[in-house]
Amino acid sequence: DTAVSQTPKYLVTQMGNDKSIKCEQNLGHDTMYWYKQDSKKFLKIMFSYNNKELIINETVPNRFSPKSPDKAHLNLHINSLELGDSAVYFCASSQETEQFFGPGTRLTVL
Amino acid sequence: RKEVEQDPGPFNVPEGATVAFNCTYSNSASQSFFWYRQDCRKEPKLLMSVYSSGNEDGRFTAQLNRASQYISLLIRDSKLSDSATYLCVVGNSGGYQKVTFGTGTKLQVIP
Repeated sequence: DTAVSQTPKYLVTQMGNDKSIKCEQNLGHDTMYWYKQDSKKFLKIMFSYNNKELIINETVPNRFSPKSPDKAHLNLHINSLELGDSAVYFCASSQETEQFFGPGTRLTVL
Repeated sequence: RKEVEQDPGPFNVPEGATVAFNCTYSNSASQSFFWYRQDCRKEPKLLMSVYSSGNEDGRFTAQLNRASQYISLLIRDSKLSDSATYLCVVGNSGGYQKVTFGTGTKLQVIP
């Protein structure tokens, strides 16, 4: 069974479109995260939720809106996609210290 | 200064060699330290936590020097399968586990 899953795995879209990425974890963890890994491989935290409550919100354009319907799910909606949004987006979850990552969503904006 | 700094490499080493990576962090209040491994086009996975007393897991040894604010990872008897990017990760002292990732050090073990 996959511990942290994300859909879709690949997403190719045009500039200006709106898209969503979904994440689910079956580990029973309280905390979930979204990270962005750019072309230089730098992994940067975007958001974190603890029990459906937003606890970390880094400097991210407000075109990015996370939503956590329950503690097992954390989705990311992106409005008006830009070329610079092209990256791999990783979802992760943790209970204490170790973070478990999903397989990533490779987003390409054309 | 970046919060977590690593030499990006690549480190190209022959099989059987010993290789060491260092990482420095800027926040002296940091409380938790880790090494993660990321294979090409895959997600990061925890390799080991790093404790003040140092810790060892098979061929891997991690050390923490709080006074100098650096963390090290030593890999002995390198295997081809060790080829990956090694990410230094530092956690804050807050109530929630916010961690900062280094940019990673790429290791290529050559036959």
